[in-house]
Amino acid sequence: DAKTTQPNSMESNEEEPVHLPCNHSTISGTDYIHWYRQLPSQGPEYVIHGLTSNVNNRMASLAIAEDRKSSTLILHRATLRDAAVYYCILRPPYYNQGGKLIFGQGTELSVKP
Amino acid sequence: EAGVAQSPRYKIIEKRQSVAFWCNPISGHATLYWYQQILGQGPKLLIQFQNNGVVDDSQLPKDRFSAERLKGVDSTLKIQPAKLEDSAVYLCASSLEGASGQYFGPGTRLTVT
Repeated sequence: DAKTTQPNSMESNEEEPVHLPCNHSTISGTDYIHWYRQLPSQGPEYVIHGLTSNVNNRMASLAIAEDRKSSTLILHRATLRDAAVYYCILRPPYYNQGGKLIFGQGTELSVKP
Repeated sequence: EAGVAQSPRYKIIEKRQSVAFWCNPISGHATLYWYQQILGQGPKLLIQFQNNGVVDDSQLPKDRFSAERLKGVDSTLKIQPAKLEDSAVYLCASSLEGASGQYFGPGTRLTVT
């Protein structure tokens, strides 16, 4: 299973941008890069995913390096509600083990007012 | 759009007792997942269904855990008999096919005493 490496924790100030890094040097050409977050006492929440190109949605942006060995989740303006554990996960295509997600330890993001 | 529903939200049982959890996925989502999340760790996939067929149950302790999705919609996960180490949050998720994101329910917190 392809692995990801994330910092254990990060701090941010409210209303400032946050860049959450993820290294995945063993990514295969067919792995999708998925990001989830988990707020305290809640189930994980899907944030965004991409394959090769940068992606934007209402929650965040995903910047993918040209060689795909790293990616960055960007929260454009952090709020207190964004304090959570953020998981970067490589998801194989569905025909490979049903596209299973393997969660690591993630990055615990704290946001200061 | 209604999210993934799970019940009960909390359950306390004694070791060697049985317990069952119920999940209703998002309407139209063919794929359903059960995860186990032990405190301080990321979720671990137990079983994945595609409609009412099993795609992956390699991490399911089959001597005590069982799951079914008889009509391709609702699912139940059962533990019989429970052990102390089964204390965890049990999360249900669903998704469309392909590389799309998974949508998680609030989870059931199980405490085995």
